[in-house]
Amino acid sequence: NAGVTQTPKFRVLKTGQSMTLLCAQDMNHEYMYWYRQDPGMGLRLIHYSVGEGTTAKGEVPDGYNVSRLKKQNFLLGLESAAPSQTSVYFCASSYGGGRFFGNTIYFGEGSWLTVV
Amino acid sequence: KQEVTQIPAALSVPEGENLVLNCSFTDSAIYNLQWFRQDPGKGLTSLLLIQSSQREQTSGRLNASLDKSSGRSTLYIAASQPGDSATYLCAVRTSGSRLTFGEGTQLTVNP
Repeated sequence: NAGVTQTPKFRVLKTGQSMTLLCAQDMNHEYMYWYRQDPGMGLRLIHYSVGEGTTAKGEVPDGYNVSRLKKQNFLLGLESAAPSQTSVYFCASSYGGGRFFGNTIYFGEGSWLTVV
Repeated sequence: KQEVTQIPAALSVPEGENLVLNCSFTDSAIYNLQWFRQDPGKGLTSLLLIQSSQREQTSGRLNASLDKSSGRSTLYIAASQPGDSATYLCAVRTSGSRLTFGEGTQLTVNP
């Protein structure tokens, strides 16, 4: 049982390049999330998904796109990377909404992205 | 807009000391509050989850309390050890999608 797995763990991009971060969970969770963590800003929600085939915007969605084609995977894309997107990215998952709001949220190990 | 504040931002204590970390939030309409631990270069590990109807949760040397009406939670660590050194984050859940984090308390336990 791997939990939440993120790939890649480290990446350096040049401004304007594109890339995709992959998140996979093996807990059959409905909800999946992408956060970024920056010094002095804490963790901020980028996008989230409440189930396969659904996505929604979080607090800081600009410059990112996501897809949830399979329940276990949640992809975060940067179409044209900017230095402001240098950050640590965390994927997380949890059981669904309603009475499952009370369930624990599980995080991946993080992906360190540097845009030069 | 929900805001979560953690005080102090950093704390250094000698081994064996009991300590309290504080978390406050501005909107009391929460589903639950969760305490996490983050080690350098690592992800977040869930420590304790307190539902909005609960007052406290305990796990080993950790005890978390919740006073929803006053917008406060505390994480009590008994008999601290060097292995407890990490950043501790609290987060409140106000919807299925909305989990608002504090900036964390960086704890150092000195041998």
